[in-house]
Amino acid sequence: AQSVTQLGSHVSVSEGALVLLRCNYSSSVPPYLFWYVQYPNQGLQLLLKYTTGATLVKGINGFEAEFKKSETSFHLTKPSAHMSDAAEYFCAVSGSGGSNYKLTFGKGTLLTVNP
Amino acid sequence: SQTIHQWPATLVQPVGSPLSLECTVEGTSNPNLYWYRQAAGRGLQLLFYSVGIGQISSEVPQNLSASRPQDRQFILSSKKLLLSDSGFYLCAWRPTAATEAFFGQGTRLTVV
Repeated sequence: AQSVTQLGSHVSVSEGALVLLRCNYSSSVPPYLFWYVQYPNQGLQLLLKYTTGATLVKGINGFEAEFKKSETSFHLTKPSAHMSDAAEYFCAVSGSGGSNYKLTFGKGTLLTVNP
Repeated sequence: SQTIHQWPATLVQPVGSPLSLECTVEGTSNPNLYWYRQAAGRGLQLLFYSVGIGQISSEVPQNLSASRPQDRQFILSSKKLLLSDSGFYLCAWRPTAATEAFFGQGTRLTVV
């Protein structure tokens, strides 16, 4: 069984400020973890992923996330927010291995960037 | 390169009418396929997934069904729509179970 909890359904930051979106997961097997971004009325676009290896992963648009097994967390950060970062962000988990087909998403965090 | 097509983009249907949403993937073979529904404040709910032709796993009991008549075609259907079926429906595919999913542009379904 697997699940994802995103803390904060809505996060508001000022342009240029740090962005921190929180994600905690539960998985009975070693997880693969993902962050996606969604702009209004569009599909989801992959920002970054963790599968194995380095626990700090870098993605597109200056985002990065760190896998912390002891904390079962995979928080998303960006040092300086830009207006174009305003969107909804989803954390997702999948079990590792070829027989783990389910990809489970959190409820999403809406990021607002204020000028 | 691989692409995913999902249509229509928007759909308004009366209660009790049938539904058929289609999703096709190009440029790959034997993908894992998924249907998700997105409702405001509820995130993405996995409805169905398929690991091969004719193989459908249902995640939530509901008024919907799915079929995979061809390797790269995934169809979401209903015989009689309910108001509660309104939402944003997303199709996705994964080349294998251990990699990221790629999403279509979604279908906004409004049942009136």
